[in-house]
Amino acid sequence: EAGVAQSPRYKIIEKRQSVAFWCNPISGHATLYWYQQILGQGPKLLIQFQNNGVVDDSQLPKDRFSAERLKGVDSTLKIQPAKLEDSAVYLCASGGDRRYEQYFGPGTRLTVT
Amino acid sequence: GENVEQHPSTLSVQEGDSAVIKCTYSDSASNYFPWYKQELGKRPQLIIDIRSNVGEKKDQRIAVTLNKTAKHFSLHITETQPEDSAVYFCAASSSGNNRLAFGKGNQVVVIP
Repeated sequence: EAGVAQSPRYKIIEKRQSVAFWCNPISGHATLYWYQQILGQGPKLLIQFQNNGVVDDSQLPKDRFSAERLKGVDSTLKIQPAKLEDSAVYLCASGGDRRYEQYFGPGTRLTVT
Repeated sequence: GENVEQHPSTLSVQEGDSAVIKCTYSDSASNYFPWYKQELGKRPQLIIDIRSNVGEKKDQRIAVTLNKTAKHFSLHITETQPEDSAVYFCAASSSGNNRLAFGKGNQVVVIP
């Protein structure tokens, strides 16, 4: 079974620029999550989708972050404009029928200079 | 919301010894408690989980115990090996959606 795929793996941008990340979940998984993991900390949930609908985006900084999951499969997370404090690893995870169980992708390491 | 804390932040053990990491949670309605292992530069990997209807679960050298009354759960690694060196994250389900709240992680170092 293929795992969660993410791209790009690394991205370096200057502050005020925009960036987008892509995630392809495990086939058949209805739930998709985006997390932000700052160095030395645990993953922090940004947004959760169930199929193509948003379930929870309470911790998403909506003034600069946006996410979509068209057709209930792939998802993109965008930051515009980026700030220095956005430097982190952005992890995508997906979950299937077994409630709460989540599998992570390799992440995208973002560096904002 | 759910608040999860892990102790200790760093743990060093001699190869072959046991390692125990403890997590506490705040929401008595939480009913799912996974442990993830994250090696440097890699994705968090689910290594074991437990649901609130059982008190202990074991898988080879790793086990998880749950004390619902005290609201804490622990990861036990026996016969530690160098490849067990990693950061371990605990998490707890948050009431409502299929959402997990993560702790800050424990760095486990196995000394050969």
